Amino acid sequence: AQKITQTQPGMFVQEKEAVTLDCTYDTSDQSYGLFWYKQPSSGEMIFLIYQGSYDEQNATEGRYSLNFQKARKSANLVISASQLGDSAMYFCAMSSASGGTSYGKLTFGQGTILTVHP
Amino acid sequence: DSGVTQTPKHLITATGQRVTLRCSPRSGDLSVYWYQQSLDQGLQFLIQYYNGEERAKGNILERFSAQQFPDLHSELNLSSLELGDSALYFCASSPMRTGGGYGYTFGSGTRLTVV
Repeated sequence: AQKITQTQPGMFVQEKEAVTLDCTYDTSDQSYGLFWYKQPSSGEMIFLIYQGSYDEQNATEGRYSLNFQKARKSANLVISASQLGDSAMYFCAMSSASGGTSYGKLTFGQGTILTVHP
Repeated sequence: DSGVTQTPKHLITATGQRVTLRCSPRSGDLSVYWYQQSLDQGLQFLIQYYNGEERAKGNILERFSAQQFPDLHSELNLSSLELGDSALYFCASSPMRTGGGYGYTFGSGTRLTVV
């Protein structure tokens, strides 16, 4: 069974500062994907960044980077130069290949509420 | 517009009633997933369909059922509704085989309120 743990229920950051949101995972699968999603108060799920288990380089997407430490089973999200619009719920999630397809179900963590202060 | 269409966006109904939530996947995607997001349970996987067949089952109650039709749209049926079924229900879709993080596309969700 897969499990995602996000230990920070809430985080606060000053505008323009960097912030790290923690995520650890547990799986017995060799091939898996790690995702971060943003959910603003409007409710939609917005994809931020992805890391494949075999990717040797940490993923980056603009101001988002994923600090992937495979041996420690952690996949922390780093947001640089925080903006007021970054205030939202952030979810870490994992998928594994399933039944011949590259995508199986996503297992989500409990989420971290990020608040950016001006 | 993500490409995944969920209807209705909001639904208010009474306990004991039955509702149907609808999802049209992104064009070309064969898999549909249903998730329930509630305050106490977080985001829970309910069920996955792939090209019309059930592929995986999660924490889906017996009062809930789903299906995927030949045109690949999916419906989630919730019956004998209880107050605790109030939640945001997401549908997501994905293609069969591709790499990268953009494989999953989420709809905007159906917010169900049971009164």
